[in-house]
Amino acid sequence: DAGVIQSPRHEVTEMGQEVTLRCKPISGHNSLFWYRQTMMRGLELLIYFNNNVPIDDSGMPEDRFSAKMPNASFSTLKIQPSEPRDSAVYFCASSLRSPGLAKETQYFGPGTRLLVL
Amino acid sequence: GDSVTQMEGPVTLSEEAFLTINCTYTATGYPSLFWYVQYPGEGLQLLLKATKADDKGSNKGFEATYRKETTSFHLEKGSVQVSDSAVYFCALLSGGYNKLIFGAGTRLAVHP
Repeated sequence: DAGVIQSPRHEVTEMGQEVTLRCKPISGHNSLFWYRQTMMRGLELLIYFNNNVPIDDSGMPEDRFSAKMPNASFSTLKIQPSEPRDSAVYFCASSLRSPGLAKETQYFGPGTRLLVL
Repeated sequence: GDSVTQMEGPVTLSEEAFLTINCTYTATGYPSLFWYVQYPGEGLQLLLKATKADDKGSNKGFEATYRKETTSFHLEKGSVQVSDSAVYFCALLSGGYNKLIFGAGTRLAVHP
């Protein structure tokens, strides 16, 4: 299995620009998660989807952030407009959630390192 | 709410030393517990997990036992290698929600 795929791996942009991060979950997984990692705040869950539907977006910092999952094999996290404080590593993770499967394991992608100047 | 507390790092050891990284948790119900490892410049990799009390997760020489009575899931390895240098995250997945709650991470540096 190819694992969770994220692109780009690195992104450098200027303040005010739109940034789009992409994620392809593991085939067959039905839950997808976006996390942000910073030195100050550690790992934070931003949003998660189950069967392509956003279930909990309480971690999304503000309206500049939006996430979509148009199908089971693709998700985007968009920041518009970007600000320097958005600089972080953004991880996507996926898991298989089913009624008979207790406590499913999340598998992480390699992350996108975002730097907003 | 649910939370995870890890010992602060960095932890610096010589090769072949014994490793313990403490992790305690607060949760309602019966969470699953995980250790993830993050090597420099990479994403998080699942190291081991335990889904119920007294379970022992193990992988690559690392072990952790789910202790409900002490609400702990300490990570141990008998003999560390330079290649074990990384950041280790303890996490819980609570029963009612599909959210991983992470500790702050503990950086381990192993010297030859």
